[in-house]
Amino acid sequence: QVQLQESGPGLVKPSETLSLTCTVSGGSVSSGSYYWSWIRQPPGKGLEWIGYIYYSGSTNYNPSLKSRVTISVDTSKNQFSLKLSSVTAADTAVYYCARTIYGEVDYWGQGTLVTVSS
Amino acid sequence: SYELTQPPSVSVSPGQTASITCSGDKLGDKYACWYQQKPGQSPVLVIYQDSKRPSGIPERFSGSNSGNTATLTISGTQAMDEADYYCQAWDSSSNYVFGTGTKVTVL
Repeated sequence: QVQLQESGPGLVKPSETLSLTCTVSGGSVSSGSYYWSWIRQPPGKGLEWIGYIYYSGSTNYNPSLKSRVTISVDTSKNQFSLKLSSVTAADTAVYYCARTIYGEVDYWGQGTLVTVSS
Repeated sequence: SYELTQPPSVSVSPGQTASITCSGDKLGDKYACWYQQKPGQSPVLVIYQDSKRPSGIPERFSGSNSGNTATLTISGTQAMDEADYYCQAWDSSSNYVFGTGTKVTVL
């Protein structure tokens, strides 16, 4: 059974960089069958795809966030990470890491709330 | 950018059928999937590739996709089906797009 666990600070100051890591167990980020995604959900609102990465390092980002997003993968640690720069209160959300296959998410992490506030 | 539109809410009586629509330009030319999200929980995939059910998802969940509309149908709706539902598809640039979400209330 694949499990994904997000980790990182729950509070980030405005204008700083949000950094989260997703640790994968029960599966390998090096598997060529999957893409590894970040998705977020502001409190009380809908889901927003942030981007995904393939084990080779190739990425695809939401055009609305592309200028501020970097997703990377560390196959030696079986982890992938998210960096979102220049955050504002609008970036306050539950951030999910997820495994995607053929365009749909089949496994989600439990999510972690990141609040942007001074 | 590509957009998927869902009705904000759908109400259904127990045992009846609930239908949730997802509209997008030429959506029928893409694969659509559906997620169920209960309060405080991560979403769960209930339909993928338009009409396939993952292992463990009850048969009362079904899906279709044609033209500009994908539809999730819950037959014999139960109280436990009360949740938010999101459709999702890929756009032409391989970006994932989520629908606006529908709150299903079982009255």
